[in-house]
Amino acid sequence: GDSVTQMEGPVTLSEEAFLTINCTYTATGYPSLFWYVQYPGEGLQLLLKATKADDKGSNKGFEATYRKETTSFHLEKGSVQVSDSAVYFCALWAHNTDKLIFGTGTRLQVFP
Amino acid sequence: GAGVSQSPSNKVTEKGKDVELRCDPISGHTALYWYRQSLGQGLEFLIYFQGNSAPDKSGLPSDRFSAERTGGSVSTLTIQRTQQEDSAVYLCASSPSQVDEKLFFGSGTQLSVL
Repeated sequence: GDSVTQMEGPVTLSEEAFLTINCTYTATGYPSLFWYVQYPGEGLQLLLKATKADDKGSNKGFEATYRKETTSFHLEKGSVQVSDSAVYFCALWAHNTDKLIFGTGTRLQVFP
Repeated sequence: GAGVSQSPSNKVTEKGKDVELRCDPISGHTALYWYRQSLGQGLEFLIYFQGNSAPDKSGLPSDRFSAERTGGSVSTLTIQRTQQEDSAVYLCASSPSQVDEKLFFGSGTQLSVL
């Protein structure tokens, strides 16, 4: 079945460091891909999305490019801030079942 | 309301008791989803509703789990005879329609079974 695999955390960085969180997927057809973020004490919220190959989703300085050839959707940010500390979830929308399938989440901790 | 509301935010219960978790979706959202978030397990899909019907119940872990939705709005997830492995955060999400890919999540109910 469809699935998402993302790197285990926690990822610990200093402020202004470069961030990459890896995500790969397995799916039939061409799913839409997402990154959701969960800040401490808050619900999950959509960070960015991409709906087809080579699309780049971006928001709040974060970017991810839909790579069909490598079935990946890695999350990147050039300069992280302490306020980016959260858990990040990669997800795909399985069109044949109309539901979001999530990875296990990656905790990011940014220190001043 | 402004967002998806879940209650209670925390629930502590004894093994063998029944619990009910409530979700109040964003007004007008026809699709409603329940997920379970366990430590180190990511988000596990449980069930979704389109209106009051549940086309996909495939994620319910056992027959101790059931869910209903009335009036196309509020949903209740019921766990009977709770077990310690049921301890998790139960998340509810809604979206404007079944085919809308963006989900709006509530803050969840933290369930602890002692």
